[in-house]
Amino acid sequence: GENVEQHPSTLSVQEGDSAVIKCTYSDSASNYFPWYKQELGKGPQLIIDIRSNVGEKKDQRIAVTLNKTAKHFSLHITETQPEDSAVYFCAAPSGTSGTYKYIFGTGTRLKVLA
Amino acid sequence: GAVVSQHPSWVICKSGTSVKIECRSLDFQATTMFWYRQFPKQSLMLMATSNEGSKATYEQGVEKDKFLINHASLTLSTLTVTSAHPEDSSFYICSASHRGSSYNSPLHFGNGTRLTVT
Repeated sequence: GENVEQHPSTLSVQEGDSAVIKCTYSDSASNYFPWYKQELGKGPQLIIDIRSNVGEKKDQRIAVTLNKTAKHFSLHITETQPEDSAVYFCAAPSGTSGTYKYIFGTGTRLKVLA
Repeated sequence: GAVVSQHPSWVICKSGTSVKIECRSLDFQATTMFWYRQFPKQSLMLMATSNEGSKATYEQGVEKDKFLINHASLTLSTLTVTSAHPEDSSFYICSASHRGSSYNSPLHFGNGTRLTVT
């Protein structure tokens, strides 16, 4: 089955700096990798995702890169702002189209210091 | 689009009672919904996969008679915590994916339910 590891567990950056969170996965058949942002007391919100047919995807200040050979993908947040402070989770699918589930990383608590 | 509504957002109940949590996909049909449990400062732990019109699939270690799941329609799944005890206190979150989607499609999450059992 799929195994997802996420690092770092906590990350503090100064406002305006960049933040990078990395995840590795084990199942080479996985081909979809979402990133979620969870604010305190709320459910996770999808912020960006990438499919295995591309190596990078960008949406304003957020980007995700994928290295299928090395089986890792990363979230990049540029020009960080205090409202980026939250817990971020990566995920990867496990199973087949008929019976699948998502395996989540252990989360990264990002704190942007003003 | 892709809004998932979860109710209630918080509930306090007495030990021994049952609590029902609803998860609705508001603007899409969801063949599959997932129920998670999250402890403070921890990741999401999948409890069960709910499929419309069939029995839920529970993860290892999750008591199916304790956590009853019903997915009666393409827009509604319910989780009932039966005979709740203080150790059942937790944050419960549901998620759903679009009907006809596969395992490489995004999940959309509800805002969670904070259950406190006294």
